[in-house]
Amino acid sequence: DVKVTQSSRYLVKRTGEKVFLECVQDMDHENMFWYRQDPGLGLRLIYFSYDVKMKEKGDIPEGYSVSREKKERFSLILESASTNQTSMYLCVTHSLGRNTIYFGEGSWLTVV
Amino acid sequence: AQSVTQLDSHVSVSEGTPVLLRCNYSSSYSPSLFWYVQHPNKGLQLLLKYTSAATLVKGINGFEAEFKKSETSFHLTKPSAHMSDAAEYFCVVSDPPGGKLIFGQGTELSVKP
Repeated sequence: DVKVTQSSRYLVKRTGEKVFLECVQDMDHENMFWYRQDPGLGLRLIYFSYDVKMKEKGDIPEGYSVSREKKERFSLILESASTNQTSMYLCVTHSLGRNTIYFGEGSWLTVV
Repeated sequence: AQSVTQLDSHVSVSEGTPVLLRCNYSSSYSPSLFWYVQHPNKGLQLLLKYTSAATLVKGINGFEAEFKKSETSFHLTKPSAHMSDAAEYFCVVSDPPGGKLIFGQGTELSVKP
């Protein structure tokens, strides 16, 4: 089975802290995505990556950055966390060959 | 720009009556389209996907969706609602296929006894 692993499931951070959210997939998928999910707003795309060292902004990139140094790992970085970044963050991969989407389990971030 | 619009944020039906959840998209290509369901405090589960093989797509739990290119729609239907169908439903477009994944804002389905 394909695994998309988000190592940090529940985090509480202080305003201004730097936050790293990591996502690792084990199936060599090219496309990886970071979303945040908030009630009533659905899943909003933050950043995505088609390949190593490639990244593209999604719909709400402000306050975030990403890193993809290896194909299997896609990291989301909050340079200076703010309370409005309290949310559930979801890592997603897309298998182009099977046209199938795979989801991580989510990372719940609270910024106080 | 690619986009997905779920026309209703909330739909309420009675058990045993039909379900219609509406989704419109804009696309420059022939997209891949998906419907996902999310039950409370659970992850997203695939209901069905359209990949240009057939315009009427059958999914799990009695759901189906019809791709209508002329209307740029991919509405989800079920003939008879069950209480267990109460959940949030997301329409997703991959545009171009294999490219950016865009999620709709979700439709919350309530089912009354």
